[in-house]
Amino acid sequence: AQSVTQPDIHITVSEGASLELRCNYSYGATPYLFWYVQSPGQGLQLLLKYFSGDTLVQGIKGFEAEFKRSQSSFNLRKPSVHWSDAAEYFCAVGPNFGNEKLTFGTGTRLTIIP
Amino acid sequence: DAGVTQSPTHLIKTRGQQVTLRCSPKSGHDTVSWYQQALGQGPQFIFQYYEEEERQRGNFPDRFSGHQFPNYSSELNVNALLLGDSALYLCASSLGGQGARETQYFGPGTRLLVL
Repeated sequence: AQSVTQPDIHITVSEGASLELRCNYSYGATPYLFWYVQSPGQGLQLLLKYFSGDTLVQGIKGFEAEFKRSQSSFNLRKPSVHWSDAAEYFCAVGPNFGNEKLTFGTGTRLTIIP
Repeated sequence: DAGVTQSPTHLIKTRGQQVTLRCSPKSGHDTVSWYQQALGQGPQFIFQYYEEEERQRGNFPDRFSGHQFPNYSSELNVNALLLGDSALYLCASSLGGQGARETQYFGPGTRLLVL
């Protein structure tokens, strides 16, 4: 069965500082990996996704993520955060065949301080 | 182009009652998935509808049922509500047939409170 672990429940960073959110997955083969962001009262918005090929994936809003097979990780990074990045971030894994069922982690809440 | 819409936005019910939540997919999408997001948790997959059939189901009891209409909109029904059913219910739409490769677009959700 596929699963996702986001070890950091809450992270606080200063505006302008760099950010890295951790994600570890469990899956029998190479999975499809996703990062979503959820602002208060909003649905989920896709930041980026990895299917195959280049292990460094660029997304929207200046985010990127790196797939590391040896570590079963897919960490999200941003070189300089903005106050508007404060939100809940979810990592998700999907099977590389068949249907579109996604398995989400428990999320990391990001707080930005001035 | 309207995105995924859900109604109602908020709902309060009492234990034992039944509830129906509605979802209209993004234009051009034919697949609808439903997720339950409890407070402080990530979304949990309930089920998915494609071509008016339930294609896959997560670990949810039969109290949770759904339907997809010919126009691809969908309903989620929950019978015999329990306090633990209080959550944000998210609908996601996608273009079927491509597996997880196809991006799922999420609606804003319906927040259900069971008293």
